[in-house]
Amino acid sequence: SQQGEEDPQALSIQEGENATMNCSYKTSINNLQWYRQNSGRGLVHLILIRSNEREKHSGRLRVTLDTSKKSSSLLITASRAADTASYFCATDATTSGTYKYIFGTGTRLKVLA
Amino acid sequence: DAGVIQSPRHEVTEMGQEVTLRCKPISGHDYLFWYRQTMMRGLELLIYFNNNVPIDDSGMPEDRFSAKMPNASFSTLKIQPSEPRDSAVYFCASSFDRYGGYTFGSGTRLTVV
Repeated sequence: SQQGEEDPQALSIQEGENATMNCSYKTSINNLQWYRQNSGRGLVHLILIRSNEREKHSGRLRVTLDTSKKSSSLLITASRAADTASYFCATDATTSGTYKYIFGTGTRLKVLA
Repeated sequence: DAGVIQSPRHEVTEMGQEVTLRCKPISGHDYLFWYRQTMMRGLELLIYFNNNVPIDDSGMPEDRFSAKMPNASFSTLKIQPSEPRDSAVYFCASSFDRYGGYTFGSGTRLTVV
């Protein structure tokens, strides 16, 4: 079952604009991660945010986390054509004593030059 | 480090045949994960290992799937017999610990005809 659901499913913007993607999840988490996947490639880890953090930055990326709303957002500022990819959130889950990350459904971002 | 290495990149096989996917994790990473990605079901965790020991195989679809990790530098995912519904991209990922970011391989695109 999916723990995280991204919104929107697809997003198309012009180069230079900001892109915002959202992730909602169902159960309490310790950590949340964001990944990027270019077409035909593996996923690339972007950023990890812990449950006691509210915001993290990495270059043009800004991630926020609202545990009361069980949601996170990924903001890409000044987008470039090279940012065209699918973006996934992954939330941790502990079931039957094992710890693992479950990936959401992804947002497909297209940045038009 | 060359990253997580998967082979083959593409595999086309006939229904009923045995398929073996291979993965070499990053040296020093104690965790290894096998994921399957399809349009319908997204990214699904199949199984993960810690220090070569299988920890959680609850995502393995059925007995036709098996995974091994005979040593810290090699893992296999085997499907026997293969079926058309097994067609997907299979990713291997590794991480230093269970909380941090995963490094994904480029995936194996499996087509069962």
